[in-house]
Amino acid sequence: DAGVTQSPTHLIKTRGQHVTLRCSPISGHKSVSWYQQVLGQGPQFIFQYYEKEERGRGNFPDRFSARQFPNYSSELNVNALLLGDSALYLCASSGTTEAFFGQGTRLTVV
Amino acid sequence: QQQVKQSPQSLIVQKGGISIINCAYENTAFDYFPWYQQFPGKGPALLIAIRPDVSEKKEGRFTISFNKSAKQFSLHIMDSQPGDSATYFCAASFYGTSGTYKYIFGTGTRLKVLA
Repeated sequence: DAGVTQSPTHLIKTRGQHVTLRCSPISGHKSVSWYQQVLGQGPQFIFQYYEKEERGRGNFPDRFSARQFPNYSSELNVNALLLGDSALYLCASSGTTEAFFGQGTRLTVV
Repeated sequence: QQQVKQSPQSLIVQKGGISIINCAYENTAFDYFPWYQQFPGKGPALLIAIRPDVSEKKEGRFTISFNKSAKQFSLHIMDSQPGDSATYFCAASFYGTSGTYKYIFGTGTRLKVLA
């Protein structure tokens, strides 16, 4: 069984650009959450989607948006990138209680 | 109230020793407490988890101790090995009004096990 897959694994963008990160959850899981992890810190909650509806939003600016597709995969979009957006972006897939993470997308903004 | 406080920030243990990482929470609505292990460049991997109706859970060399009255829980790694060197995160989760579980993570403990 495939785990949570994220793409791309690494990404370098310039300030002001836009980025799209993708996540495919574990088969059968309907909930996808996005987290930002800055080096040396724990994951910070960005969004949660369940059955294609937003079920939670963390304390992030409107430059961050997400959506979930009918096959439960998800995209995280970040507009007008800032240097401070450089981080590991993690996607977590949940069936019920347990959350399983992908390997993350390392975003570097220069 | 939504914070999970984790300590220590870093830990160095000799091979074969016991590693102990502690977490504390405030919100009594939390009802699921997982621990994650993260290696550099990788996503966090679920290690072991506990619910507040039990005081201890053991899986191999990993044990969670849970003190509901003190609102604290800890991870014990017995017979620590160099391969256990990683960053460990505690988390607390509750079933939110949105119909899904919400997770709050601790700040992490960087464990180094010396050979």
